[in-house]
Amino acid sequence: GAVVSQHPSRVICKSGTSVKIECRSLDFQATTMFWYRQFPKQSLMLMATSNEGSKATYEQGVEKDKFLINHASLTLSTLTVTSAHPEDSSFYICSATSGQGIGNYGYTFGSGTRLTVV
Amino acid sequence: AQKITQTQPGMFVQEKEAVTLDCTYDTSDPSYGLFWYKQPSSGEMIFLIYQGSYDQQNATEGRYSLNFQKARKSANLVISASQLGDSAMYFCAEDYGQNFVFGPGTRLSVLP
Repeated sequence: GAVVSQHPSRVICKSGTSVKIECRSLDFQATTMFWYRQFPKQSLMLMATSNEGSKATYEQGVEKDKFLINHASLTLSTLTVTSAHPEDSSFYICSATSGQGIGNYGYTFGSGTRLTVV
Repeated sequence: AQKITQTQPGMFVQEKEAVTLDCTYDTSDPSYGLFWYKQPSSGEMIFLIYQGSYDQQNATEGRYSLNFQKARKSANLVISASQLGDSAMYFCAEDYGQNFVFGPGTRLSVLP
């Protein structure tokens, strides 16, 4: 079935530094990738949608200069949290689709990244 | 805007019993999909079951079934013969063609 590999699974960084999270589709071409953030005891909130080769579309309230998304190939998307602060500590998870309904009816989630900013 | 409601923040069920997790949605689109995901404490999102808006029959996947009542806009998840490993957060989500919108989730605890 469709698999999306996300890493790192956990990362601790110092305040003010940047962190990059990668999501790779292993066995399909991900034309679109979605990035979510999940705070403790809350639901997943969409941050941005990225289509391969295009600029990401950010949801209202998400700072595009802080959360840099790159989707340069059909198998890789990255989320970079720049100048991280403790309030950015959260669980980040990606989802990918080929747009053709393969695997999990079209959407496959990565395993998530738990970011802690100290 | 699409909205998913899960009215049960937490549910308890005895092992081997069945449990129903509620989900209602609000869409005016004629074509949509409804999903249920399980999220254990590790954080991964595990796909459980899918129901398309035009599907005539309720979806079933092993111990999971979806009670789809289109007129009421509800898509409740039924887990039969609960197991201790079913303890997790459960999210209902709607695919409206552009993305998912997730409900707030229900925390299910299975008691031995």
